Parts: sequence; C-alpha cells; structure tokens
Amino acid sequence: EIVLTQSPGTLSLSPGERATLSCRASQSVSSTYLAWYQQKPGQAPRLLIYGASSRSTGIPDRFSGSGSGTDFTLTISRLEPEDSAVYYCQQYGTSPFTFGPGTKVDIK
Amino acid sequence: EVQLVESGGGLVQPGGSLRLSCAASGFTVSTNYMNWVRQAPGKGLEWVSIISSGGTKYYVDSVKGRFTISRDDSYNTLYLQMDSLGAEDTAVYYCARAVGRARGMDYWGQGTLVTVSS
Repeated sequence: EIVLTQSPGTLSLSPGERATLSCRASQSVSSTYLAWYQQKPGQAPRLLIYGASSRSTGIPDRFSGSGSGTDFTLTISRLEPEDSAVYYCQQYGTSPFTFGPGTKVDIK
Repeated sequence: EVQLVESGGGLVQPGGSLRLSCAASGFTVSTNYMNWVRQAPGKGLEWVSIISSGGTKYYVDSVKGRFTISRDDSYNTLYLQMDSLGAEDTAVYYCARAVGRARGMDYWGQGTLVTVSS
C-alpha cells in the first residue's frame, strides 16, 4: 500500500498570502494518478487537481499542482477567505487508492 | 446536470448488513469509473472500492470479503453491499464518479451515514 504523508498538518495564513501544501508518497506515484481535493465542513470533497497538475473544471487558476515521483505540491497563490478547508492528496495509480491525512488551511 | 444521490445508510448492529445505493443522473454509470469513499466522524477520507467501466473491482484490504461493489445499468445505480459490519465501518459513505482512469473523482454525492452500534 502506498502511504501518503501531508505537511504541514495545519497552515494558518492571511488573505492574499501564498499557501504551499506538501504530499509525500512512500513509493513512486505516476504523476498521471495524483489528485488534490478540498473539503469544507459538512460538504463532500471537491476535486481541485488531477494528474498532479491539471485543474478540474471551474477551479480558479490560483490553485496549481506540481511534482513527480514521491513529492507533490499544491500551491494556492493568493489565499481567499473561502479557501479555508482541509486539503487531501490521493494517489489512484495503485490499489488501494489511498488518501493523505489532510492539511487544514485556516485563514486568519 | 450530473447528480449522485446516496441512500441506504442508518443504524445497524455489529455483525449486520446494509446495502447502500447511489442513484446517478446526467451521465451513465456503466461508462465511468465509480467509487465509494468513506469518512469516519472527525477523520480523514478513506477510499473503499471502485468498479471500472469494464467491470473490474478493487477494494481496500479492510473491507475485502465483506463489502461488494456492483451496479445496475438498467437503474443507472451504484451499490455497496456491506456485510459483517463492525464499529470501524461507522462513517459517512460517499459515492463518486471518475470520468476516466486518470481524471480523479469529479462528482460526489452528499454522503450517507452508516452507524454500527448495539
């Protein structure tokens, strides 16, 4: 099983700041099969990024993904108040299609 | 409009069974990859199972032999049959669509809560 580790656990930033979220895999993940999701309290997750760097439909361009192999990054270039949420990475290249534990982003 | 609506959750005793349904509209279940993902109260997301457009099925180890994913093309509905339930299965269960093998889960249902307790 591929274990995903996310850091930091919590990120507290001000609106307009840049957020950098890390996702590290226990073994190499094909970039084709790495996604990022946003989840707000009481809501279902929302797909932000698939294929490590492709934005899903309707996702603002302040969200970007990068990385390869075992290290992946989600960047939110200019935080908005509505970006307060938990962010999960997921690999879906090798079953079981594991999620990371999540990074909580708080907007001050 | 794409929509996924789960049902079938509820309170069940340990060792019991439950069948979850996920009714889809706006697209065809059988031509997509359909997933079940769960979230225990206050915890993170856990992928549970997938059925591919070709009918291939995968499961997380913790549910193998106890859960069965299936679909009914005539009803355009996804199912999750859950047997031998334990307290560790208590969670909100989401169904989610992936358009292709590499596209991620782009549409999710609202979730249905399964509580396993005596």
